[in-house]
Amino acid sequence: SQTIHQWPATLVQPVGSPLSLECTVEGTSNPNLYWYRQAAGRGLQLLFYSVGIGQISSEVPQNLSASRPQDRQFILSSKKLLLSDSGFYLCAWSGGVSVTDTQYFGPGTRLTVL
Amino acid sequence: GDSVTQMEGPVTLSEEAFLTINCTYTATGYPSLFWYVQYPGEGLQLLLKATKADDKGSNKGFEATYRKETTSFHLEKGSVQVSDSAVYFCALSDHSGNTGKLIFGQGTTLQVKP
Repeated sequence: SQTIHQWPATLVQPVGSPLSLECTVEGTSNPNLYWYRQAAGRGLQLLFYSVGIGQISSEVPQNLSASRPQDRQFILSSKKLLLSDSGFYLCAWSGGVSVTDTQYFGPGTRLTVL
Repeated sequence: GDSVTQMEGPVTLSEEAFLTINCTYTATGYPSLFWYVQYPGEGLQLLLKATKADDKGSNKGFEATYRKETTSFHLEKGSVQVSDSAVYFCALSDHSGNTGKLIFGQGTTLQVKP
C-alpha cells in the first residue's frame, strides 16, 4: 500500500533563517506531487505541483521554492523565512493517470516563524 | 476560473442531529468532486468523491450527490457523533493541463456536542 511521509512534524524558525521540508511517498511510481499551505483558520492554498522529476510548477509567486530530486521525493525550501510563511504545510500525491485521481495527503508540518 | 464555495462555519450540532454542509462550485467542463475531512492537528483524509453527474459518494454514514443542474455537492449525515468534529473541505478537480490539481473551498468547521 502507498504511504506518504513528511518531516519534520513541527518546526519553529527565526525570521531570515532557511527552510527545508521533505516529503516522500512509498508504494507508487511517478506520482504527481503537491505542496499546500494552510494558514491559521483558512483554506488550502496550492503552492507547487510536480508531474515528474525536475518538473516544478509554481502556483503563487512567493518566498518559497520546490524541488523534486527523485521520483518520490518532494522538497519545499526557502532561503530566508518571513513571518508570513508560518502555517501548516501539507504534501499530497496522486496517481497521475487520470484527472479524477484522488489526492492523498501527508500528516503535515506545522511551521512557526518568530 | 473554477471555484468552490462552502457554507460559513462553525457549525455546532448536538449528537445524533442531522448534518448538512453546503457546497457549490463553478467550473468549465465536468469536474470530479470531493469531500475531505481534517481532524485536529492532522492532514486531510478523503471522505468521499463523485466523478460524474448524479453519482452519490458515501462513506462512514456521510453522503453527497453530484448535482450538475444546481452545481452542488452538499454533504449530509443522518446522525452525527462527537467524533465527527473536524473541518470539512469540498474540492473539485481541475481538468486543465491534466495535472490533477484540486481546488478547495475554505473549509467548514463542525463541532458536535454530547
